[in-house]
Amino acid sequence: NAGVTQTPKFRILKIGQSMTLQCAQDMNHNYMYWYRQDPGMGLKLIYYSVGAGITDKGEVPNGYNVSRSTTEDFPLRLELAAPSQTSVYFCASSYSIGLDGLLTEAFFGQGTRLTVV
Amino acid sequence: AQSVTQLGSHVSVSEGALVLLRCNYSSSVPPYLFWYVQYPNQGLQLLLKYTSAATLVKGINGFEAEFKKSETSFHLTKPSAHMSDAAEYFCAVTTSGTYKYIFGTGTRLKVLA
Repeated sequence: NAGVTQTPKFRILKIGQSMTLQCAQDMNHNYMYWYRQDPGMGLKLIYYSVGAGITDKGEVPNGYNVSRSTTEDFPLRLELAAPSQTSVYFCASSYSIGLDGLLTEAFFGQGTRLTVV
Repeated sequence: AQSVTQLGSHVSVSEGALVLLRCNYSSSVPPYLFWYVQYPNQGLQLLLKYTSAATLVKGINGFEAEFKKSETSFHLTKPSAHMSDAAEYFCAVTTSGTYKYIFGTGTRLKVLA
């Protein structure tokens, strides 16, 4: 029962470097999400996807990119890392119930702690 | 647009005392509401959810929450706090057709011996 798997768990980047945060889920969920968590700020939605090939911006998309080529994978790309991107990143997945597309609960990964120096 | 407000970023209770964590939501259509718990250095784990069935929802670890439409609230309670309840708690909302969740800013619960 892997659920949502995020890699790496920790990473230190230098300003201007790029990296990809990996996220995979094995529950065949259509919906996937990337959040960032900063102290006292809760979770802010970066990007989300409603299915393979479909992505959309959340509240704080600047400086990030995503792709969704398969149902299972939803990588998050940081192109030019900045100190403001120091945060804990969570990937989540979900599915909808009923005919109106209402979501059930989200399932979260363990997070990636990223520090940009 | 939906929103969630959690009153009190930090709450302290004595072991054995009542836990009350507050969550108010704003939504123009019927919401689904969730409470999640996060232990240090871990991801979020579902405590309970309201999905328009019973207004009083029971979750794991003895927690429960009551959906009150008239007060737009979904407060989380536990009759008797345990040391293991110390964690951060998040309230979240979603509605039909939005395909995403909006989270509150979280409440850190401290349990005093």
